[in-house]
Amino acid sequence: NAGVTQTPKFQVLKTGQSMTLQCAQDMNHNSMYWYRQDPGMGLRLIYYSASEGTTDKGEVPNGYNVSRLNKREFSLRLESAAPSQTSVYFCASSEIGYADTQYFGPGTRLTVL
Amino acid sequence: ELKVEQNPLFLSMQEGKNYTIYCNYSTTSDRLYWYRQDPGKSLESLFVLLSNGAVKQEGRLMASLDTKARLSTLHITAAVHDLSATYFCAVDIRGSQGNLIFGKGTKLSVKP
Repeated sequence: NAGVTQTPKFQVLKTGQSMTLQCAQDMNHNSMYWYRQDPGMGLRLIYYSASEGTTDKGEVPNGYNVSRLNKREFSLRLESAAPSQTSVYFCASSEIGYADTQYFGPGTRLTVL
Repeated sequence: ELKVEQNPLFLSMQEGKNYTIYCNYSTTSDRLYWYRQDPGKSLESLFVLLSNGAVKQEGRLMASLDTKARLSTLHITAAVHDLSATYFCAVDIRGSQGNLIFGKGTKLSVKP
């Protein structure tokens, strides 16, 4: 099992460009999450999807959109990138249950110039 | 608003010493998680603590939870260099669907 995979691993954008970060999991988990991690900060939740067909905003959703394409895949889109979106982005997945540990992907390091 | 505070944020230890990392959170929560992150890597789950008084141990790490005090501790026993990493605690929002609020992390450096 690959677990949680993310593409790309690195990306450089110019201000105003758009891009989509891809995430897939093969653990048959219902819930998926997008976080961003900035230096000196913990992880902050951008959006989450509790189950296929549903998405909800997290702590820092502005400037992002998401799509839960199917049970396996959850994408994050930046419509018009800004330097403030320079960050490392992590996707995670979990089963809905009593001890639903989240499993994290390897991350995407995004730089917006 | 749920806040999660870790201290210390930086910790330099000598091998063989013991130390404790603290995680305080501001509102009622049912579950607390500890993660480890190596530089440039993803997060690895260490412990899930589900109830008051819960204690879990793995190797030189032991985590505990006091829900009445809203406090979790991660105790390191006889530190070794391989434990050098950043450790995060995270608390779920009661009634949420797995939404976690993370602390800022404790960067641990274990020196010979």
